[in-house]
Amino acid sequence: DIQMTQSPSSLSASVGDRVTITCRASQSVYTYLHWYQQKPGEAPELLIYDASKLQSGVPSRFTGSGSGTDFTLTISSLQPEDFATYFCQQSYSSGTFGQGTKVEIK
Amino acid sequence: EVQLVESGGGLVQPGRSLRLSCAASGFTFADKAMHWVRQAPGKGLEWVSGINWNSGSIGYADSVRGRFTISRDNAKNSLYLQMKSLRAEDTALYYCVKDLYGDYLWYFDYWGQGTLVTVSS
Repeated sequence: DIQMTQSPSSLSASVGDRVTITCRASQSVYTYLHWYQQKPGEAPELLIYDASKLQSGVPSRFTGSGSGTDFTLTISSLQPEDFATYFCQQSYSSGTFGQGTKVEIK
Repeated sequence: EVQLVESGGGLVQPGRSLRLSCAASGFTFADKAMHWVRQAPGKGLEWVSGINWNSGSIGYADSVRGRFTISRDNAKNSLYLQMKSLRAEDTALYYCVKDLYGDYLWYFDYWGQGTLVTVSS
């Protein structure tokens, strides 16, 4: 099974900050890597698919990059509504998720 | 607007069975693969099972294979998960999830709000 590891597990940031979350796969997943946002008490929402493609309706401040085993999600200017938990997920072999990164208010 | 509404969750004793349902609307259900993904309280996400558009291809996580059965009724725009021999570790919020594609390729583009399954004596 492919293991997905995110870092950090949590971070504190302020509105307007640039935030970067990293996801590493235990073997190459090419660009079959997706990012989700989950707010407390809500279902996850797809932000980025195929490593860098922005899902319809998602603000352009979210960008994804990477290929192979190393990927990043960047929020260029953190907004109040972005405080949430972010998950990466690979779809190269089954659909395993990272453990999540909680973005909290500083 | 895509809507996925789960039902059927509840409190069940270990070893018993439960059937989850998901009513889909806002898209052509018969064209898309569907999945169940679960999240234990305070934990991460785990893919449980997926089914392609015509039920010709089905997959399960190792943790549920042989105990859970996924099915769909395209005429009723509905997805199901039959769960047997339930264990405490199956306790979770179960999400009905739409795939971006007709084959189950694990592209989870829309999620329901979930139905809670609690396995406890």
